[in-house]
Amino acid sequence: EIVLTQSPGTLSLSPGERATLSCRASQIVSSDYLAWYQQKPGQLPRLLIYDASTRATGIPDRFSGTGSGTDFSLTISRLEPEDFAVYYCQRYGSSFPFGPGTKVDI
Amino acid sequence: EVQLEQSGAEVKKPGESLRISCKGSGYNFSNFWISWVRQMSGKGLEWMGRIDPSDSYTKFSPSFQGHVTISVDKSISTSYLQWSSLNASDTAMYYCARFYYDSRTYYSDWGQGTLVTVSS
Repeated sequence: EIVLTQSPGTLSLSPGERATLSCRASQIVSSDYLAWYQQKPGQLPRLLIYDASTRATGIPDRFSGTGSGTDFSLTISRLEPEDFAVYYCQRYGSSFPFGPGTKVDI
Repeated sequence: EVQLEQSGAEVKKPGESLRISCKGSGYNFSNFWISWVRQMSGKGLEWMGRIDPSDSYTKFSPSFQGHVTISVDKSISTSYLQWSSLNASDTAMYYCARFYYDSRTYYSDWGQGTLVTVSS
């Protein structure tokens, strides 16, 4: 069973700064079926990126995803106040495991 | 419009059984897997397992295999998550979700969540 790990656990940054989050898989993610979500307290997860690098509908272009195989990254080019949240990666296919999350806080 | 409507919050005692539900609407329920996701208070998202409504085939995360049951009644477009004996560590928010990939696009639809509290 594939296991996803994320680093760092917490990223402390200021508005306007660049955030780079990492997601590593225990085995190759076939077809780069890797998604990123944002979740704020009391809210449902919001899909940001799928296929490792494709932005979901309505997602601002300051969010970008890269990577393939076992190593993936989510970059937020310039943090806006509303971007401070927890971010999860997820592999999709026959199962849908999540990584443990990275908290981006001020 | 696709909707996943979950049953209301539950408060149970350790050892009791429980079944929570997720009713899909706005799409052909039989054609899309339903997944269940746990989120303990202040913690991350944990994929528990999924069911194919067309044939009731289930696949579980190893962490949840044997601890819960996922079932479906496609005649009423509803999936269920069930425990035979709850314990305090089952206290969490539980989400049903529809994750699917079609025509090079990935979709993620979520129910509103069901809060389960297990306390003596």
